[in-house]
Amino acid sequence: SYELTQPSSVSVSPGQTARITCSGDVLAKKYARWFQQKPGQAPVLVIYKDSERPSGIPERFSGSSSGTTVTLTISGAQVEDEADYYCYSAADNRVFGGGTKLTVL
Amino acid sequence: QVQLVQSGAEVKKPGASVKVSCKVSGYTLTELSMHWVRQAPGKGLEWMGGFDPEDGETIYAQKFQGRVTMTEDTSTDTAYMELSSLRSEDTAVYYCATDTFDYWGQGTLVTVSS
Repeated sequence: SYELTQPSSVSVSPGQTARITCSGDVLAKKYARWFQQKPGQAPVLVIYKDSERPSGIPERFSGSSSGTTVTLTISGAQVEDEADYYCYSAADNRVFGGGTKLTVL
Repeated sequence: QVQLVQSGAEVKKPGASVKVSCKVSGYTLTELSMHWVRQAPGKGLEWMGGFDPEDGETIYAQKFQGRVTMTEDTSTDTAYMELSSLRSEDTAVYYCATDTFDYWGQGTLVTVSS
């Protein structure tokens, strides 16, 4: 299927590890990307090719993949990481996950 | 460094059309493949369509086929997205982005209201 499923929300305390999953059949064949979006701002790419980090993105952001599930991990989450996170994959049609609201409180 | 600058906010009546522009700088439009994504208030990101360099043609999400047209003016390095037969559900922020989504425009709010 071309759907990507994410949990609607994840909550952690500062310094803890946050993990956000994204599931979909397309992920077994195509790479995933992850985007961070803060209120009123355009999305920002934080992970590409499942686990690669663009320059300028903190090392605490990492990605992994297993079968039809990819995971964004924020190790030692900080208050400024509070945002919506979206996974994305490019099959015949591009598709975004529904988004996960990360609360760091 | 790619920069994408979009046109300003629009208010349209139901049934009208809207055309949003996206000016590219730092690269030429011929070096990029542009896509469009929208986000309704309080909702997630929704891919609308864009240029597929592998096929050499513009592809549209099924939901928007017949109602959206994406074009480019390479003389001014400007991409356009036109959405017709607007309804209230089309109220959203519309973003242009490169096809790898490394770079995004600032977004254009389109409000559809009678």
